[in-house]
Amino acid sequence: AQSVTQLDSQVPVFEEAPVELRCNYSSSVSVYLFWYVQYPNQGLQLLLKYLSGSTLVKGINGFEAEFNKSQTSFHLRKPSVHISDTAEYFCAVIGSGGSNYKLTFGKGTLLTVNP
Amino acid sequence: ETGVTQSPTHLIKTRGQQVTLRCSSQSGHNTVSWYQQALGQGPQFIFQYYREEENGRGNFPPRFSGLQFPNYSSELNVNALELDDSALYLCASSPATRTGELFFGEGSRLTVL
Repeated sequence: AQSVTQLDSQVPVFEEAPVELRCNYSSSVSVYLFWYVQYPNQGLQLLLKYLSGSTLVKGINGFEAEFNKSQTSFHLRKPSVHISDTAEYFCAVIGSGGSNYKLTFGKGTLLTVNP
Repeated sequence: ETGVTQSPTHLIKTRGQQVTLRCSSQSGHNTVSWYQQALGQGPQFIFQYYREEENGRGNFPPRFSGLQFPNYSSELNVNALELDDSALYLCASSPATRTGELFFGEGSRLTVL
């Protein structure tokens, strides 16, 4: 079984400032990792994913994340945020084995970008 | 390309009633999964359907059931509604080979009074 801990429930930042949203996971098997974004009154949208290979992955809207196996972390970063980045961000994990089907989500981090 | 669509978007039921939520998957996707998102929480996996068969289930009681149809659309049925069933129910589709990469609908918000 897997679990996800998002270390900050809310992160307020000013426009054009850098931001990091933290995510730690727990798993007894190898995993795939994801960040999803949920804008107000909408469903979730995939931001980026780590399946294998380079530990630094780039996603949409200028976001990137780094997989750190030793620290079991997958933190999300953006060097300069915009007002439109205000949303709820969810880290998620799934076992990389053949019979996996269950995506486990964290509780989410609300990113609020202020002018 | 048509995305995932869900209906109804909002509904109110009373305790003990039954509800059916519907989902049309994205074109070309043969896997559908359902998630429950309570207020202030992350989505929780209910179950997944692949080619009309349930092939995975989360920690939800049997009163949560589902169907997938030959056109890959899906239904979520909840019997004997309880107050704690109030939540946003999200449907997601995916091509079976893209593990964890889900395409979500905007959800059906259920309120149980």
